[in-house]
Amino acid sequence: EDQVTQSPEALRLQEGESSSLNCSYTVSGLRGLFWYRQDPGKGPEFLFTLYSAGEEKEKERLKATLTKKESFLHITAPKPEDSATYLCAVRNFGNEKLTFGTGTRLTIIP
Amino acid sequence: DSGVTQTPKHLITATGQRVTLRCSPRSGDLSVYWYQQSLDQGLQFLIQYYNGEERAKGNILERFSAQQFPDLHSELNLSSLELGDSALYFCASSSDRTSGGNEQFFGPGTRLTVL
Repeated sequence: EDQVTQSPEALRLQEGESSSLNCSYTVSGLRGLFWYRQDPGKGPEFLFTLYSAGEEKEKERLKATLTKKESFLHITAPKPEDSATYLCAVRNFGNEKLTFGTGTRLTIIP
Repeated sequence: DSGVTQTPKHLITATGQRVTLRCSPRSGDLSVYWYQQSLDQGLQFLIQYYNGEERAKGNILERFSAQQFPDLHSELNLSSLELGDSALYFCASSSDRTSGGNEQFFGPGTRLTVL
């Protein structure tokens, strides 16, 4: 069974203080690893898909990287509007469902 | 805005009742997925429909059922509701390409409260 573990559960940063969120996974044949952002009471918003180890993707202050066992979401010089819960999910080749981690709740303090 | 719509936004009902949640996928997407998000369990996959047919089932209770109609909108039916069914219910859709990760795009959700 696919498993996703995210750490830390919560992270508070000062505005401009860069950091990384971790997503460790076990999956029987990785079809894709996905990062989503979720604001309170809203639906998850798609950020990135990574397919193979060594791949990197960037969007504004966010960069996602992938190894064979984990993915990192690096946030550079964050702003208060980056505050949200960041979710990691995996999909294997056997089916189309996403298996999600429980997320990292990120708070950026002005 | 993901292009996925869900109604209603909020639903308050009593134990033992039955409710129907509705989802319209993004234009052109054939697959619809339903997920449940509760405080203690995170996002859990319930069921997937592809072009009107059930394709995959997750941890969906027997009291819950879903269908996808010819116009591709989907409904999730929850019956004999219990307090523990209170949660956010999300619908997602994807284009179901034969290559790529098939990103799923989520709707705004329906918050169900069972009293």
